[in-house]
Amino acid sequence: SQQGEEDPQALSIQEGENATMNCSYKTSINNLQWYRQNSGRGLVHLILIRSNEREKHSGRLRVTLDTSKKSSSLLITASRAADTASYFCATYTGANSKLTFGKGITLSVRP
Amino acid sequence: DAGVIQSPRHEVTEMGQEVTLRCKPISGHNSLFWYRQTMMRGLELLIYFNNNVPIDDSGMPEDRFSAKMPNASFSTLKIQPSEPRDSAVYFCASSSSGTRYNEQFFGPGTRLTVL
Repeated sequence: SQQGEEDPQALSIQEGENATMNCSYKTSINNLQWYRQNSGRGLVHLILIRSNEREKHSGRLRVTLDTSKKSSSLLITASRAADTASYFCATYTGANSKLTFGKGITLSVRP
Repeated sequence: DAGVIQSPRHEVTEMGQEVTLRCKPISGHNSLFWYRQTMMRGLELLIYFNNNVPIDDSGMPEDRFSAKMPNASFSTLKIQPSEPRDSAVYFCASSSSGTRYNEQFFGPGTRLTVL
């Protein structure tokens, strides 16, 4: 089964609004990462939050992590049409090199 | 840095043919990953290598799939014989396991269509 499960599966918002995406996972992690995938492209790393961190910011991105609930959220503030993409959370347990990806959230930002 | 390089970008072949996908990881990265992405199953890890050694191939669908990494700068994923259900986008990614956090860098993908 998937380690990371994103919610919602699809999100449509107006430009300028904030977009919030959630991810839940099952096992203990070393860190959690969020990736973006534009249509027809490979995934691009956005931000990483370690298990001992609760919140992290990068530009218009804000990530939170609640290890007690095994969940994370990604907030994109003041969204732009260019933010239209699929967003994936991925967990790293530290036991080996691999990440486990969720199924992704499709974000559409209407101009 | 050129990033992860994959070739070909698009491949159309007929059922039963052999398909070889190629990947050049980022120089200095010692972990390499092959993924498959479809609408139905999402992103699936097929196999990954550390220091050119296959570590986990449990995601390889069946014996028709094989992967090699003869050196640190090159890997192949081969499908023989190919079937229509193998149609997907195949991604290669690399990372440096020398760092603690294992951010992965993805290539642009190879879109495979098996007719």
